[in-house]
Amino acid sequence: EAEVAQSPRYKITEKSQAVAFWCDPISGHATLYWYRQILGQGPELLVQFQDESVVDDSQLPKDRFSAERLKGVDSTLKIQPAELGDSAMYLCASSLETGGQYFGPGTRLTVT
Amino acid sequence: GESVGLHLPTLSVQEGDNSIINCAYSNSASDYFIWYKQESGKGPQFIIDIRSNMDKRQGQRVTVLLNKTVKHLSLQIAATQPGDSAVYFCAERGNSGYSTLTFGKGTMLLVSP
Repeated sequence: EAEVAQSPRYKITEKSQAVAFWCDPISGHATLYWYRQILGQGPELLVQFQDESVVDDSQLPKDRFSAERLKGVDSTLKIQPAELGDSAMYLCASSLETGGQYFGPGTRLTVT
Repeated sequence: GESVGLHLPTLSVQEGDNSIINCAYSNSASDYFIWYKQESGKGPQFIIDIRSNMDKRQGQRVTVLLNKTVKHLSLQIAATQPGDSAVYFCAERGNSGYSTLTFGKGTMLLVSP
């Protein structure tokens, strides 16, 4: 069964350092999402791509976060510099244009 | 019974019981709803979805009910098993353009053997 792949699964970094997460969506899924999830809460959307274009980044803290999906397939989310409050689970999901979103296993980020 | 924990509402049931998890959604224009199951340390797992032109949809051991009048969604799990223990989230999607999913607060389901 096709799955969304994410790496790394866990990341520990010091504040002010740069960190990057990678996501490979389900083959054929044109829409890709990055979410942040704080423990005990539901995921919150950071950015949504349709193919290689950003269609919603209204909740992305653009002073320190960036995301790209250059060829419309895999994607990278970067944080620079990381802050203590960025500690969370970062989830990637993908979908066909209509239908449900399928999530990857996530990257657990700890900023010390 | 159902209780509000420190972080999440919690539903505790015995193995073999039927479970009902409820969700109130916020946007009357939402046209698509999904239930997700999330186990500790893992990403949300798609369980079942329903579109707003339906009021009931059944899967394997799960049923989703949609009441648009009161903006209420429920997930029924038949013959609940210990492996069903997880946090369950409902999510709604608006009906315009590239509408995104908005997740509810989540309910923790604890199944005792």
